[in-house]
Amino acid sequence: DVKVTQSSRYLVKRTGEKVFLECVQDMDHENMFWYRQDPGLGLRLIYFSYDVKMKEKGDIPEGYSVSREKKERFSLILESASTNQTSMYLCASSLEFNYGYTFGSGTRLTVV
Amino acid sequence: GENVEQHPSTLSVQEGDSAVIKCTYSDSASNYFPWYKQELGKRPQLIIDIRSNVGEKKDQRIAVTLNKTAKHFSLHITETQPEDSAVYFCAASIGSSNTGKLIFGQGTTLQVKP
Repeated sequence: DVKVTQSSRYLVKRTGEKVFLECVQDMDHENMFWYRQDPGLGLRLIYFSYDVKMKEKGDIPEGYSVSREKKERFSLILESASTNQTSMYLCASSLEFNYGYTFGSGTRLTVV
Repeated sequence: GENVEQHPSTLSVQEGDSAVIKCTYSDSASNYFPWYKQELGKRPQLIIDIRSNVGEKKDQRIAVTLNKTAKHFSLHITETQPEDSAVYFCAASIGSSNTGKLIFGQGTTLQVKP
């Protein structure tokens, strides 16, 4: 059973802080994704990676960056947290093109 | 940009009735269409998916239909049960990318009343 683990379930950070959200998958999946989930807006893609050290912007990359130094780990970085980045962040991985995602449990981030 | 529209945003049915959720997509190159169920406080989980070479797929009480010409696909749940209550998301693969990127609909909150 594929596991996608997000390091924190809840986080509270202050405006201007640099925030790191970590995601680890244990099934050698090529593709990893970061989405944010907001009520009424569904899941919106922030960044994704299809290989180590490779990354591509999604639909809402502003204010975020990512890092994928190892295949199993994909980190989302909020360079300077702002209140409009308060949201649920979901990490996902997939084996290859046109395969379903496995999601992590999510990190609920509150920026105050 | 590419998008997926999902309707309705909320749906309330009596236990035993059927529920239908509809999605339309904009990218004619989309060829993979998964559906996810997210129970309260839990992660989204894949419940069924369909690829563009298939018009319909069933798995027990759930089925998905795809109309590529009209660019829409639907989730059908028959004989609904209270445990079907959740948020359901449709998604479509984006274009010719080889990275498996998905665009999601806005979600439908399904409530099944006992």
